[in-house]
Amino acid sequence: DAGVIQSPRHEVTEMGQEVTLRCKPISGHDYLFWYRQTMMRGLELLIYFNNNVPIDDSGMPEDRFSAKMPNASFSTLKIQPSEPRDSAVYFCASSFSGGVETQYFGPGTRLLVL
Amino acid sequence: AQKITQTQPGMFVQEKEAVTLDCTYDTSDQSYGLFWYKQPSSGEMIFLIYQGSYDEQNATEGRYSLNFQKARKSANLVISASQLGDSAMYFCAMREGGLTGGGNKLTFGTGTQLKVEL
Repeated sequence: DAGVIQSPRHEVTEMGQEVTLRCKPISGHDYLFWYRQTMMRGLELLIYFNNNVPIDDSGMPEDRFSAKMPNASFSTLKIQPSEPRDSAVYFCASSFSGGVETQYFGPGTRLLVL
Repeated sequence: AQKITQTQPGMFVQEKEAVTLDCTYDTSDQSYGLFWYKQPSSGEMIFLIYQGSYDEQNATEGRYSLNFQKARKSANLVISASQLGDSAMYFCAMREGGLTGGGNKLTFGTGTQLKVEL
């Protein structure tokens, strides 16, 4: 079975531009998570969804960040406008509530904002 | 207070030796889960092993085992017969709360960088 799919794998953009990161969770998983990883702050949970509904967005750094999950197989994380301090690796993960709820991570998107 | 503490920022081990990576946790919940993930230099996060708070046996997955000491609130990862491919960052994580009803958030430690040497 395919794992969590993220695109793009790498993104280089200029400050002020809009960035959209995409995620396809594992089929049948009902939870989806967005994380950000930096050297300074480690792995931070930004937002998570259950059955396509946002449950907790307290980790979203500011209004420039938004996330959507229009259906069970697709989610986006958007940054508008982007800033250099947004440079990080962004991970999407999914899990199934019926088991031990292990989160399986996608390969990540490495974002560099110049 | 830190919920997950990994006190070893870096560890070295000789190939074929066993190594223990430390993890202590802090929670007042009775039901929780503990996870270990591996992050090689390529960047992906790979799930290794899970231990539930009510599991009486220590979890094992191949060369990985989890030394779970509930009273001490520790969940150390033991890697037996280390291989060069085990060189990576290792993260301990905790899920607080029950298995249903939204208790699905993970809190991660800061990680331990393991280097396996010849």
